[in-house]
Amino acid sequence: GAVVSQHPSRVICKSGTSVKIECRSLDFQATTMFWYRQFPKKSLMLMATSNEGSKATYEQGVEKDKFLINHASLTLSTLTVTSAHPEDSSFYICSARDVQASYNSPLHFGNGTRLTVT
Amino acid sequence: RKEVEQDPGPFNVPEGATVAFNCTYSNSASQSFFWYRQDCRKEPKLLMSVYSSGNEDGRFTAQLNRASQYISLLIRDSKLSDSATYLCVVNSGAGSYQLTFGKGTKLSVIP
Repeated sequence: GAVVSQHPSRVICKSGTSVKIECRSLDFQATTMFWYRQFPKKSLMLMATSNEGSKATYEQGVEKDKFLINHASLTLSTLTVTSAHPEDSSFYICSARDVQASYNSPLHFGNGTRLTVT
Repeated sequence: RKEVEQDPGPFNVPEGATVAFNCTYSNSASQSFFWYRQDCRKEPKLLMSVYSSGNEDGRFTAQLNRASQYISLLIRDSKLSDSATYLCVVNSGAGSYQLTFGKGTKLSVIP
């Protein structure tokens, strides 16, 4: 089955530093990837839609200069949390859509990155 | 009104019990519906898609009522391994790849 690999699975960083999270589709091509954030006991919230070869589309309230997204190839999207603060501590999950899949096909999720900012 | 609404639970049921979860969605243009399960501190995993005619996968049965904008999940003969949070997921409209997640319903199956 389709596999999405997300790395790292866990990261602890100091306040003010930047953290890069990678999302790779291993056996399919993904023109579109989605980045979600989940705070404890809350639902997954879409942060942005990453489009291969073009700019990401950010949801309302998500700062594009703070959460940098790059989707340079059909199998890789990266999310960089810049100048991280403790309130950015959360569970970040990516998902990818197979370029050959129809819109009503389920998305494939990465295993998530738990970010802790101290 | 929340876009996808679920009873958060928790539902605490004994092994072997039958349990049902409900979900309502506000976007009448939604076309794709799914149930995902999420284990503690893990990513969501697809449990099943939900089709208009209703569908069954082993012990799991999903139903969709478009008129009422309502989705259900029935789990029969609950197992300890069914303990998880069940997420109702709906796409954002016809032809949309964006998904909206409910907060989830927590299920604990007790020995």
